[in-house]
Amino acid sequence: AQKVTQAQTEISVVEKEDVTLDCVYETRDTTYYLFWYKQPPSGELVFLIRRNSFDEQNEISGRYSWNFQKSTSSFNFTITASQVVDSAVYFCALSEAQYNFNKFYFGSGTKLNVKP
Amino acid sequence: GAVVSQHPSRVICKSGTSVKIECRSLDFQATTMFWYRQFPKQSLMLMATSNEGSKATYEQGVEKDKFLINHASLTLSTLTVTSAHPEDSSFYICSARGLGTTSGFFGPGTRLTVL
Repeated sequence: AQKVTQAQTEISVVEKEDVTLDCVYETRDTTYYLFWYKQPPSGELVFLIRRNSFDEQNEISGRYSWNFQKSTSSFNFTITASQVVDSAVYFCALSEAQYNFNKFYFGSGTKLNVKP
Repeated sequence: GAVVSQHPSRVICKSGTSVKIECRSLDFQATTMFWYRQFPKQSLMLMATSNEGSKATYEQGVEKDKFLINHASLTLSTLTVTSAHPEDSSFYICSARGLGTTSGFFGPGTRLTVL
């Protein structure tokens, strides 16, 4: 079974629209980290956020916000007032204490297209 | 934040040749380095984990004789794709982790094209 599921393969929005990228994870570990990365066409992974399993407080960083809900094993990512520069593939990832946080399990990614 | 570099950023080679990719941690000592592979329009898959001075641990399905990993120092790991074939064409990304940290820092990736 997939450890990290990003059901949305591709999303297209018009600039200034809000968009939410879904991430559902599966783990038996009580201690784990969740991540979001942005991958522009150049391929480099850009770190966006890390959240540990004991911190369910939602976070906002500028136009970005994250909603972590352990009850539904979800860690969704919302971009408010999207911009063309937000176009990229976004990956959600999980690392677990049982592997000493060494293994990163990545979701399949969501390609976001923001049109002007 | 911590910086990880990879060299080369892009390489094209003929089938049957070997290609070496370097991963360096520039401002910290990387006790553990990880190699990922990403096929076009797919996700990143962990290939192997290497600790400085010891043999790499390969994930299931990854041929250790084909993908040679050396982690000879705390700032350098190399991945050698031996006898490369077109199906090895992929984006290879390394990640490095320092002592006492729980996050990996990713390199910019190396795009390998085997003709």
